[in-house]
Amino acid sequence: AQSVAQPEDQVNVAEGNPLTVKCTYSVSGNPYLFWYVQYPNRGLQFLLKYITGDNLVKGSYGFEAEFNKSQTSFHLKKPSALVSDSALYFCAVNSGAGSYQLTFGKGTKLSVIP
Amino acid sequence: NAGVMQNPRHLVRRRGQEARLRCSPMKGHSHVYWYRQLPEEGLKFMVYLQKENIIDESGMPKERFSAEFPKEGPSILRIQQVVRGDSAAYFCASSPPIGTGSRYEQYFGPGTRLTVT
Repeated sequence: AQSVAQPEDQVNVAEGNPLTVKCTYSVSGNPYLFWYVQYPNRGLQFLLKYITGDNLVKGSYGFEAEFNKSQTSFHLKKPSALVSDSALYFCAVNSGAGSYQLTFGKGTKLSVIP
Repeated sequence: NAGVMQNPRHLVRRRGQEARLRCSPMKGHSHVYWYRQLPEEGLKFMVYLQKENIIDESGMPKERFSAEFPKEGPSILRIQQVVRGDSAAYFCASSPPIGTGSRYEQYFGPGTRLTVT
């Protein structure tokens, strides 16, 4: 079975500072990893994915994530946080083994303080 | 290019009634997924469909829930005899056909928020 852990329910960061939202995963086989963002009462917006290739992937709105196989992590990062980045962030994994269902973490609420 | 469409956005049903949730995938997408989000929780997979086929329904409750994706028209998630515990946000996602580079990307609709009174 595949699973995702987001160890922090909430992350607070000052505007302009770098931010990190943590994600670790468990899956048999090669993981396909994703980050989504959810604004209040909205659906999820795709930010970025790792399927194969470079461990550092770049996505929308200046976000990037680093795949670390030995630590089974896929942390989301941004060099300089904006107040508009405040939202709920979800990490998700797919085992890539035929079933295309995504398994999501519980989410991390990011608050960027002006 | 319109995104994934879901309607209604909000649905209120009394216990015992039926709820029908609709999802139109993005243009060119042939795969549809339904997820449920309970308050303060992540999304939980329910079912994966292609046109006229249920591919994976491992996340569907055994009773009262059904889903379809007909040849023509939107995908429908149907909940019969709703109970208070069915109150949640239901999200639909779609993805491109197999063989495209974006096959594993799922694009989500705005969701339907079901409230059972």
